[in-house]
Amino acid sequence: DARVTQTPRHKVTEMGQEVTMRCQPILGHNTVFWYRQTMMQGLELLAYFRNRAPLDDSGMPKDRFSAEMPDATLATLKIQPSEPRDSAVYFCASGLADFSEQYFGPGTRLTVT
Amino acid sequence: KNEVEQSPQNLTAQEGEFITINCSYSVGISALHWLQQHPGGGIVSLFMLSSGKKKHGRLIATINIQEKHSSLHITASHPRDSAVYICAAALYSGSARQLTFGSGTQLTVLP
Repeated sequence: DARVTQTPRHKVTEMGQEVTMRCQPILGHNTVFWYRQTMMQGLELLAYFRNRAPLDDSGMPKDRFSAEMPDATLATLKIQPSEPRDSAVYFCASGLADFSEQYFGPGTRLTVT
Repeated sequence: KNEVEQSPQNLTAQEGEFITINCSYSVGISALHWLQQHPGGGIVSLFMLSSGKKKHGRLIATINIQEKHSSLHITASHPRDSAVYICAAALYSGSARQLTFGSGTQLTVLP
């Protein structure tokens, strides 16, 4: 049963610390997306990769966030330094083309104190 | 920036009722997505449509491009349909991908 996996599932950290979230897309999928969900803002698209190349990260705060795909089986989202306003659930999704039928991972719940 | 409005915000129905959730957007789009978020937080992509209608089981999604409006219908609703339903308007321009989400509709189906 193919599914998107995300680690860690929960992360509590102190302000100023570096946070790295990882995502393993479904094998064979060539698009990967990072989303953030908060109570105040709802869901937001942060970054979008196709064939491991970043195509659009305009939704991501550039000063502290970075997203990469070091290989086809791993996508990472890094926050350095983290701030309390980064507290959210971060979802990764993968698919075969653009946004069509995306498969979402379970999310990483990040709390920055 | 596209503005995406969903209605109603909250909806309570009795099992078996026909349910409609509405989504309107302010500018032209490439596609409209419907997502379902379960009480545990997991998200499932239900539909992507750019015209007409799509059906999957008891779920039907329609879109009217001219009116900038989409609806999600659930026939013969069941308590397991209780979830948050989110629409999202997608706009593709070159490699840019703008995806604007609605605030969601919380659906509760009572047995």
